[in-house]
Amino acid sequence: GAVVSQHPSRVICKSGTSVKIECRSLDFQATTMFWYRQFPKKSLMLMATSNEGSKATYEQGVEKDKFLINHASLTLSTLTVTSAHPEDSSFYICSSKGHRGPDNEQFFGPGTRLTVL
Amino acid sequence: GQSLEQPSEVTAVEGAIVQINCTYQTSGFYGLSWYQQHDGGAPTFLSYNALDGLEETGRFSSFLSRSDSYGYLLLQELQMKDSASYFCAVRDNYGQNFVFGPGTRLSVLP
Repeated sequence: GAVVSQHPSRVICKSGTSVKIECRSLDFQATTMFWYRQFPKKSLMLMATSNEGSKATYEQGVEKDKFLINHASLTLSTLTVTSAHPEDSSFYICSSKGHRGPDNEQFFGPGTRLTVL
Repeated sequence: GQSLEQPSEVTAVEGAIVQINCTYQTSGFYGLSWYQQHDGGAPTFLSYNALDGLEETGRFSSFLSRSDSYGYLLLQELQMKDSASYFCAVRDNYGQNFVFGPGTRLSVLP
């Protein structure tokens, strides 16, 4: 399968700071990238979908100004959690989809565990 | 609305066969996928059904019935390493978005 990396894998920050998470597809061009949020022992909640070169499409209830998504190239998407608060603490996972693999296959990054103090 | 249902937990012993069901209700349907996620890890793709019937991939098989909005994942010859959470996911909204089920936690006992 394809390789997707995320950086950082773990981050602890103070309330009010902003955190940027990078998602890179290392060996294929990702036409679409997805950002998910996952709470412990819960399912993945889609936050937004981004296509290279266009604005991200956010799911209902996800604040665009809070979670800034940039998909500047076919291999890189970033999620910035602005003015983070303790309730933003979660596991954030990105996934990529391109022309590799079955049409329904997404390739997930290893995730970023965010803890806001 | 969009909703998927799965059993929350399943327990079985090594060597056994387990079936994890998934029912869905979504605004559109472009296929049912299954993902495996170990604790602390990322989900990994297992299988995909776009048409009715059974798809077999090694020890894992997946079934879909579009008329019943139902599918299942069948795991055979269970191994301890199969202990994980399993998510079904439906692709909807013109095939752009993926909606995940709540997940089924499988525990394989020796």
